[in-house]
Amino acid sequence: GAVVSQHPSRVICKSGTSVKIECRSLDFQATTMFWYRQFPKQSLMLMATSNEGSKATYEQGVEKDKFLINHASLTLSTLTVTSAHPEDSSFYICSARVTGNTEAFFGQGTRLTVV
Amino acid sequence: SQQGEEDPQALSIQEGENATMNCSYKTSINNLQWYRQNSGRGLVHLILIRSNEREKHSGRLRVTLDTSKKSSSLLITASRAADTASYFCATDRGSGNTPLVFGKGTRLSVIA
Repeated sequence: GAVVSQHPSRVICKSGTSVKIECRSLDFQATTMFWYRQFPKQSLMLMATSNEGSKATYEQGVEKDKFLINHASLTLSTLTVTSAHPEDSSFYICSARVTGNTEAFFGQGTRLTVV
Repeated sequence: SQQGEEDPQALSIQEGENATMNCSYKTSINNLQWYRQNSGRGLVHLILIRSNEREKHSGRLRVTLDTSKKSSSLLITASRAADTASYFCATDRGSGNTPLVFGKGTRLSVIA
C-alpha cells in the first residue's frame, strides 16, 4: 500500500514555542491530507483537511491561527502548533488518500509534549 | 466530529476466544472501515466493507454491516495475545477526498 511518513515521531517543547510536524506521501501524490488529534485512550478527532495549493478547512472548535496548516506540494503537508501550551500535548496523526482508492493511509503519528 | 459509538469500550478475553466489537454510526455512508492501533502508534487498515455488502472475511476477521440499523461488527476469531490493541471503525461518506470519521474505539486485551 501507499506510504505516508510523518516526522518527528516525538517532540518535547517549552510552553510558548512553536512546533512543526511534517507529513509526506512517499509514493503517491496527495491533493488532500487530513490532520487528526488523539488524546490518551480516546479516538481520533479530525482537526482539519489540508488542500494542496489552497487554504485548509478546519473543523469546528479548532483554532486556525493556532494550528497552521500548509500544503505547498502534492507530497507534503505541515502542521505547526503555534504558541504551544500544555493542553496541546497530544498525539497528532496525518492521513492521506489516493484518489479512487477508498483506503486511507496514516502516518506514524507525532507525540507532542508541551512542558 | 465523531460518527458514533463503539461497544464495548474495553474488552478482555483469553487467548483462543473470539472477540466481537460493535460500531454504530449516524449518517449515510459509502463504506465502513476497521483500523487497528497499537499503543502510541499509527493506524493499520484491517478491512473495508462497502455499503452494498453485508459481510466480509479476511483471515481471522469477519465484518458485518447493517445499513438499516447503521451498525457494523468486527469479529476476531481465535484471538492471540498479539491482537491486543485498540480497534476503531471509521465511516467514509465519499470516495477519495473526504476524511474518515472515527468511532470511539474498543480497547482489546487478549490474555495469554
